[in-house]
Amino acid sequence: QSALTQPASVSGSPGQSITISCTGTSSDVGNFNLVSWYQQYPGKTPKLLIYDATKRPSGVSNRFSGSKSGNTASLTISGLQTEDEADYYCCSHAGRRTYVFGTGTKVTVL
Amino acid sequence: QVQLVQSGAEVKKPGSSVKVSCKASGGSFSDDSINWVRQAPGQGLEWMGGILPVFGSPTYAQRFQGRLTITTDESTSTAYMELRSLTSDDTAVYFCVRDQPTKLKNYFDAWGQGTLVTVSS
Repeated sequence: QSALTQPASVSGSPGQSITISCTGTSSDVGNFNLVSWYQQYPGKTPKLLIYDATKRPSGVSNRFSGSKSGNTASLTISGLQTEDEADYYCCSHAGRRTYVFGTGTKVTVL
Repeated sequence: QVQLVQSGAEVKKPGSSVKVSCKASGGSFSDDSINWVRQAPGQGLEWMGGILPVFGSPTYAQRFQGRLTITTDESTSTAYMELRSLTSDDTAVYFCVRDQPTKLKNYFDAWGQGTLVTVSS
């Protein structure tokens, strides 16, 4: 159960789009469409942004979108805003009621 | 809307154990799964294990096997996480989180407020 691989940091200017990758294996990301994404501000509890790889909970901005291809899932933030500056984590079901998180990505708005 | 309320911060000596509670309200406790996720200072999220009360038996991340015990008390809708043989590496905020695998909801849509466990001599 190794952590999923995410870039340590991604940055962009306001209004731009950025994409965060999340690479796993055929035992987790590649085997299930059960990838979720979470946003966390410093000192705060994580918030669910995307579930089942591509679905957005009600109340989450449509600027956030998810996709998956093979062993890699991705989170795209379009129309980047200063409030999007936070840490982002992917998480995948890994079978037998287990989960694995990604290493986390710090998003900076330039 | 389910709410998860955790017990307060703990300070423990190396080699000791800690037990953190998580009381659920507003949901269907026996049908929901409660998981434990931790975050060391300045580090990422780590799934530790979970339990689905209707199934009874918990599942654990491999690295915590033998050192972690997750239980529930359905009479009080409370889940517990006990971690033994603590070291300074276990200093972290511990979150209880809910998923609902019986409803094909394999994601964490409710989080407790977090419990800081500090391991220090």
